[in-house]
Amino acid sequence: DTGVSQNPRHKITKRGQNVTFRCDPISEHNRLYWYRQTLGQGPEFLTYFQNEAQLEKSRLLSDRFSAERPKGSFSTLEIQRTEQGDSAMYLCASGPIMNTEAFFGQGTRLTVV
Amino acid sequence: AQSVTQLDSHVSVSEGTPVLLRCNYSSSYSPSLFWYVQHPNKGLQLLLKYTSAATLVKGINGFEAEFKKSETSFHLTKPSAHMSDAAEYFCVVSARSPETGKLIFGQGTTLQVKP
Repeated sequence: DTGVSQNPRHKITKRGQNVTFRCDPISEHNRLYWYRQTLGQGPEFLTYFQNEAQLEKSRLLSDRFSAERPKGSFSTLEIQRTEQGDSAMYLCASGPIMNTEAFFGQGTRLTVV
Repeated sequence: AQSVTQLDSHVSVSEGTPVLLRCNYSSSYSPSLFWYVQHPNKGLQLLLKYTSAATLVKGINGFEAEFKKSETSFHLTKPSAHMSDAAEYFCVVSARSPETGKLIFGQGTTLQVKP
């Protein structure tokens, strides 16, 4: 197993465009998280899946953001009508059971110009 | 609700001297606590974890942390700093509750190691 994989690693997009990121968790992990990290800050929680069910979504997440995990395996995070404030590192993590550590991917760095 | 406060945004030590990174937490449930490290342009790596077993937890690269419930603290220590320890360190809390499994990160402490 090669760990949590995120694609793409970098994305530059024009303001107003839609973007989609993919996360492949460690196989057999039933928990999957999305976080956002901006420069000099700790990662901020966005949303959390247990298998295919989205159990929690941050109030920070506007309606332009949507995440899916259709078969309880990989997940996608879509941002519609991107804004410059969306520029950040988007991190995905997975974990095997409730309330143990999570393993993070390398992240997708989004730049909105 | 859970929260975590890292008491120092920046810590500077000399190589070979002890490291202390301070973390206080708040949790409505019995917490799990973690320290993660992030080197420049690298992913987050787990250093160590506390999940209700021994209160003194040993991690990788010589780091350890002690869970003190009475002080709601989980400070990270290392007896002797190496240059390679220079990085950003995050204290993380998770509630051991069936309703939520999310990890809440502190703001981070930048560790500088001087030769």
